[in-house]
Amino acid sequence: DAKTTQPTSMDCAEGRAANLPCNHSTISGNEYVYWYRQIHSQGPQYIIHGLKNNETNEMASLIITEDRKSSTLILPHATLRDTAVYYCIVRLYGGSQGNLIFGKGTKLSVKP
Amino acid sequence: KAGVTQTPRYLIKTRGQQVTLSCSPISGHRSVSWYQQTPGQGLQFLFEYFSETQRNKGNFPGRFSGRQFSNSRSEMNVSTLELGDSALYLCASSLSGEFGYEQYFGPGTRLTVT
Repeated sequence: DAKTTQPTSMDCAEGRAANLPCNHSTISGNEYVYWYRQIHSQGPQYIIHGLKNNETNEMASLIITEDRKSSTLILPHATLRDTAVYYCIVRLYGGSQGNLIFGKGTKLSVKP
Repeated sequence: KAGVTQTPRYLIKTRGQQVTLSCSPISGHRSVSWYQQTPGQGLQFLFEYFSETQRNKGNFPGRFSGRQFSNSRSEMNVSTLELGDSALYLCASSLSGEFGYEQYFGPGTRLTVT
């Protein structure tokens, strides 16, 4: 079973920041938080990951709370092309953890 | 760099038949994972191969099998197809499969079993 809880759906106005929350209250100290998204009928796309510090890349920012029980993915200026299902995944540190456990994700709809 | 490619993109098979799907990972990637996506069950992990060895396996029946070749290309096979096997089959590659190495997904093969 997925170890994360996400809202089923969210709306965001085009050009505004999209803040997608994720609860992972049972996360252990050696588990990373990963975010992927899946645009309709395409394969999932890696967005960002982090352990405890906030992370930023060209696509998004990841804010992880100090107790690591929740995180927020921020898309700073959402566009219509960001409409997708966003998955928050926790994954063990080290070892041969080739698989990702996907939950239901959050369906983000960016509206003009 | 070319992305992950999967062939064929679409496939229609009849119950009881078998099918083989192919995945070519990103150049230099040694780990290949397979996932099944259905509307009811979502994305589920099938198995992962690294250096021609199956390293992880999901909870699927033995009808689902796979292999990886020395060039890291991978195939998965489903024998005795059932209607419930209709799904999008996704392949993902990563440098090693260990933490910190993100997985890159292909576009998937849409399998329809009639």
